[in-house]
Amino acid sequence: EVQLVESGGGLVQPGSPLKLSCAASGFTFSSNWLNWIRQAPGKGLEWVASINPDGSSTYYPDTVKGRFVVSKDNAKNTGYLQMNNLRSEDTAMYYCASDYFDYWGQGVMVTVSS
Amino acid sequence: DVVLTQTPPTLSATIGQSVSISCRSSQSLLDSDGDTYLNWLLQRPGQSPQLLIYSVSNLESGVPNRFSGSGSETDFTLKISGVEAEDLGVYYCMQATHAPLTFGSGTKLEIK
Repeated sequence: EVQLVESGGGLVQPGSPLKLSCAASGFTFSSNWLNWIRQAPGKGLEWVASINPDGSSTYYPDTVKGRFVVSKDNAKNTGYLQMNNLRSEDTAMYYCASDYFDYWGQGVMVTVSS
Repeated sequence: DVVLTQTPPTLSATIGQSVSISCRSSQSLLDSDGDTYLNWLLQRPGQSPQLLIYSVSNLESGVPNRFSGSGSETDFTLKISGVEAEDLGVYYCMQATHAPLTFGSGTKLEIK
């Protein structure tokens, strides 16, 4: 059974860093892209980052470029989203999703507030 | 960035009724490789999104065949032929043809 489990969320102050993890099982993680998508409270979905199977290429929208870094450790079957210089507008539920968006994690909440 | 405009924003249906949701793109979603990367997702209340349809019209494994997708270039439609109670939630279209990947604003399906 394919599973994606996010962790690492919480309440942080503006300007702080936070690192999310996405533990994968049930499929060949090293052969798949990994995507991160977020959803602000009561809002729609926003793509945040993608990384290719071997981790050599990463992609971001302008809203997080330069602040967020996506990575994956294929030996640990785990993906990461390092978020730096967090802003109030980054407050959202963060989901990791598989290659073709056919599997999603349960999400982890990140709240940025003083 | 590609803008996906979904209509209607809300939809109210009775059990057994057939409904359609439109997703219009600001640019053609036909990729140079010949595929069109337009997907449909459903987010039930309190749950993560789930993939229903990929590449316009392909039904994801395990998804009931009352769901169908159609369209091309810039105009796409998701049809539910005979709504069931479990279909309530918010439906999103998303495109992966052009960077950055973008989502429609969603259509909320309510059951009367």
